[in-house]
Amino acid sequence: NAGVTQTPKFRILKIGQSMTLQCTQDMNHNYMYWYRQDPGMGLKLIYYSVGAGITDKGEVPNGYNVSRSTTEDFPLRLELAAPSQTSVYFCASSYSNPVYNEQFFGPGTRLTVL
Amino acid sequence: DQQVKQNSPSLSVQEGRISILNCDYTNSMFDYFLWYKKYPAEGPTFLISISSIKDKNEDGRFTVFLNKSAKHLSLHIVPSQPGDSAVYFCAASARAGGTSYGKLTFGQGTILTVHP
Repeated sequence: NAGVTQTPKFRILKIGQSMTLQCTQDMNHNYMYWYRQDPGMGLKLIYYSVGAGITDKGEVPNGYNVSRSTTEDFPLRLELAAPSQTSVYFCASSYSNPVYNEQFFGPGTRLTVL
Repeated sequence: DQQVKQNSPSLSVQEGRISILNCDYTNSMFDYFLWYKKYPAEGPTFLISISSIKDKNEDGRFTVFLNKSAKHLSLHIVPSQPGDSAVYFCAASARAGGTSYGKLTFGQGTILTVHP
């Protein structure tokens, strides 16, 4: 039981490049989330999903896209990377609403855009 | 618009003493509050929570207090141990509905350092 896994752990992108951050959970959780954490700041919600085929925007969705074709996977796509997207990205999952079920986090992906 | 605020970026405490971490919120719809702990190079992990129908919840060395009228909560760690050194995030959500339903809003975090 690996929990929530994220790849890659680190990545450096040039301005304008694109990439996909991968997130997989093996706990059969319905809810999945993408957060970003900037230095000295809390986690800000980018996108979330309450089940396969259902996604919705969070607090800071601009510049990102997501898809949820399976229960296990929730990839985050960055198109046209910008320096403002330099951050640590965390994926998380929970069985249902996180006020009733613990939200489990992956180890994070540190992204630098130069 | 920071709906959940942790105004102390850092806190330093001696081993064995009490650590008190504070959190304020502005959204009256929030009725469930959580604390997460984060070590370097790891994701946050859930620590303790409290619903708005309570004013205190205890789990071993960790106690969370909620003051609804002041929109303030605090996490007490007694006694503090060096292994408690980490970043602590306060988070809030609304169980009943509204735009916060099913989502957590996090504070900026407080770095706790417990000295041996």
